Amino acid sequence: RKEVEQDPGPFNVPEGATVAFNCTYSNSASQSFFWYRQDCRKEPKLLMSVYSSGNEDGRFTAQLNRASQYISLLIRDSKLSDSATYLCAEDTGRRALTFGSGTRLQVQP
Amino acid sequence: DVKVTQSSRYLVKRTGEKVFLECVQDMDHENMFWYRQDPGLGLRLIYFSYDVKMKEKGDIPEGYSVSREKKERFSLILESASTNQTSMYLCASSLRGADYEQYFGPGTRLTVT
Repeated sequence: RKEVEQDPGPFNVPEGATVAFNCTYSNSASQSFFWYRQDCRKEPKLLMSVYSSGNEDGRFTAQLNRASQYISLLIRDSKLSDSATYLCAEDTGRRALTFGSGTRLQVQP
Repeated sequence: DVKVTQSSRYLVKRTGEKVFLECVQDMDHENMFWYRQDPGLGLRLIYFSYDVKMKEKGDIPEGYSVSREKKERFSLILESASTNQTSMYLCASSLRGADYEQYFGPGTRLTVT
């Protein structure tokens, strides 16, 4: 089983919609998690970190559910510019992150 | 502003050639990483380095080696390129500790024919 799993999508949503992605992880000892955003043909960039208390930044909310071993990313009031691939990553304590394969979001006008 | 640069955006090499991919960062980061990204497989860690001359294998080190002689530079070496190493290669750097933001370079699209 892959350590970090994501639904590849694509998630096709209209502008203004609320959309949520989940990412499941297998290492129950992992302490911190991250969401990275990757635009088409560009490099990934950090969107937000996810710790036990969750995190919110404007229209974006990330949550951690330790009991079910998943993290989520909620995007409210979707914009066309939110179209991208969203990668989750897990810090398993080995000094490097393990990334999922990404979820593609397409926001349509 | 952190900058991570990679020596080439596109590279075409022949099977059996030795290939060097160079990565340079300008923010004095201790950690540097090499990933490859393939459709459906996401980012997979090849090697990382947490200090000069230090390296650790990632998840898919077979067929690759690395060199870190200076803090700002991390090289990925394909000793004898094979067609299954055709991929997008991404370098990243971060401060010490896995919970620091990783900054990625623009990537090198390597094609091995």
